[in-house]
Amino acid sequence: AQTVTQSQPEMSVQEAETVTLSCTYDTSESDYYLFWYKQPPSRQMILVIRQEAYKQQNATENRFSVNFQKAAKSFSLKISDSQLGDAAMYFCAYRSAIPGANSKLTFGKGITLSVRP
Amino acid sequence: DARVTQTPRHKVTEMGQEVTMRCQPILGHNTVFWYRQTMMQGLELLAYFRNRAPLDDSGMPKDRFSAEMPDATLATLKIQPSEPRDSAVYFCASGRAGTYQETQYFGPGTRLLVL
Repeated sequence: AQTVTQSQPEMSVQEAETVTLSCTYDTSESDYYLFWYKQPPSRQMILVIRQEAYKQQNATENRFSVNFQKAAKSFSLKISDSQLGDAAMYFCAYRSAIPGANSKLTFGKGITLSVRP
Repeated sequence: DARVTQTPRHKVTEMGQEVTMRCQPILGHNTVFWYRQTMMQGLELLAYFRNRAPLDDSGMPKDRFSAEMPDATLATLKIQPSEPRDSAVYFCASGRAGTYQETQYFGPGTRLLVL
């Protein structure tokens, strides 16, 4: 079974600064997808960024980028130029890409990010 | 802007009562997931449908929970009888099998409190 670990329960960043959120995972599969979801106080789960395991190039979405280290099974999220609206809980998630496999997302416990003005 | 909708958004009920939660997936999506979020367990899968057929409900307490898809535009999650330990946020998510990454899009959730 796959597991996702987010070992930092909380982090804080100064507005306009850069912060990196860590995530590690464990799997025996070679083909999979990784995601970061944001959950603001409204509780809505919002997709931030996604990465295919077969791609060496790290995904980027505006101020959000990932550092994907497949051998180390690490998938960190970097938020540049942090804004007050980035304050939320962030979840790292794994999904198998094996044909016929369960498409469910396996989530980490989440990390609460606060942004200081 | 296509979205997953869920009703009700909030539900307060007494132990022993039946609770029904509804989800309308994004039009054209053929996979539907029910997740539950609690402080202790985090986010966990309860049930998963593809083309309205249940593929995985191993995360669901079978004696009290049931999930169905009466048609392609409606998924339901029922709890009967409800218990205080069922208090949680229940999310529905939908995706399109076979598409790029089959990304799951979440609804706003139903916040359930069982007294």
